[in-house]
Amino acid sequence: NAGVTQTPKFRILKIGQSMTLQCTQDMNHNYMYWYRQDPGMGLKLIYYSVGAGITDKGEVPNGYNVSRSTTEDFPLRLELAAPSQTSVYFCASGPRQEANEKLFFGSGTQLSVL
Amino acid sequence: AQSVTQLDSHVSVSEGTPVLLRCNYSSSYSPSLFWYVQHPNKGLQLLLKYTSAATLVKGINGFEAEFKKSETSFHLTKPSAHMSDAAEYFCVVSLGSGNTGKLIFGQGTTLQVKP
Repeated sequence: NAGVTQTPKFRILKIGQSMTLQCTQDMNHNYMYWYRQDPGMGLKLIYYSVGAGITDKGEVPNGYNVSRSTTEDFPLRLELAAPSQTSVYFCASGPRQEANEKLFFGSGTQLSVL
Repeated sequence: AQSVTQLDSHVSVSEGTPVLLRCNYSSSYSPSLFWYVQHPNKGLQLLLKYTSAATLVKGINGFEAEFKKSETSFHLTKPSAHMSDAAEYFCVVSLGSGNTGKLIFGQGTTLQVKP
């Protein structure tokens, strides 16, 4: 029962570097989400996808890109890392019928940009 | 606009005593409300959810929450705290159907349980 798997768990980037945060789920969920969590704050939605080939912006999309070529995978791309992107990133997924209800979360990626 | 306010950033209780984590919400329509728990280095896990079926909602691990429309509150309670309850708790409101799972998170409440 893997659920939602995120890699890597930790990463340190230099300003201007790029990287991809990986997210995969094995529950055949159509809905997938990327959130970021800043210290002392709740989660904020970066991007989401309602199915393969379909993505849309959330609340804080600037500086990020996503793709959804398969149902299972939803990678998040940082092209030019900035210190403001230091955060903990969570990927989540949900079944079509319960898109606004229970979400299944990965264990997070802690990213530091120095 | 929808919003969620968790009234306490940190709550400390002794093991075996009651837990109360407070949450107020603002919504222009009947909301869906949730409590999620986040244990250290883990993803978030759903504790319970309110979707207008009953005002008193029972969740996992002995937690429950009561929806009070007149007070716009959705406080989380547990009669007797256990050491394993120490975690971060988030009150969450959903923007509802048609808004594709967009959730508004409160700032979080850290629950400390002392032996």
